[in-house]
Amino acid sequence: DTAVSQTPKYLVTQMGNDKSIKCEQNLGHDTMYWYKQDSKKFLKIMFSYNNKELIINETVPNRFSPKSPDKAHLNLHINSLELGDSAVYFCASSQWTASYGYTFGSGTRLTVV
Amino acid sequence: AQSVTQLGSHVSVSEGALVLLRCNYSSSVPPYLFWYVQYPNQGLQLLLKYTTGATLVKGINGFEAEFKKSETSFHLTKPSAHMSDAAEYFCAVTQMNRDDKIIFGKGTRLHILP
Repeated sequence: DTAVSQTPKYLVTQMGNDKSIKCEQNLGHDTMYWYKQDSKKFLKIMFSYNNKELIINETVPNRFSPKSPDKAHLNLHINSLELGDSAVYFCASSQWTASYGYTFGSGTRLTVV
Repeated sequence: AQSVTQLGSHVSVSEGALVLLRCNYSSSVPPYLFWYVQYPNQGLQLLLKYTTGATLVKGINGFEAEFKKSETSFHLTKPSAHMSDAAEYFCAVTQMNRDDKIIFGKGTRLHILP
């Protein structure tokens, strides 16, 4: 059983489209996160949710909207995709706070053409 | 604000040689420190973490790291490199608050030479 699973693994789409990435964790963790990894491997946090409550909302274009229907799921919807959105998006989860460390999903490679 | 600096974006060592990846952190409060490894086309995997207590932390795959408060360092070592250790390594820091996140360094790519 995969602890943190993301779908899809690869996503190729045209500029202007809207797309969603889904994340699910079966670890019973309370907090989930979205990170963006750019082409230079730099990891930057986007959002975090604790038990369905938005905790962290970094400076991210409002075309990005997270949704957490329950504490085991955190989805990321992106409107009007731009070339600069191309990156690998990682979902992660932790027990209550980040100090416990994260368990990462395997990532979604988004390519906007 | 917390931050992490990894010295050297690329490090090459011969198979069987000592691996040393350097990490310095900045934190105004006691830090929680991590090393993660990322193999190609995969997510990040936790190697080890320091919370409190013993300053020498042992992790998976024979890696260990030592927390040195006076030097604000958390260097990662392995006595003998293996070809399978070739990957990207990230040092990271956080603190114990509900609204905190893990801040990652820029990564060090470890190359193993045969």
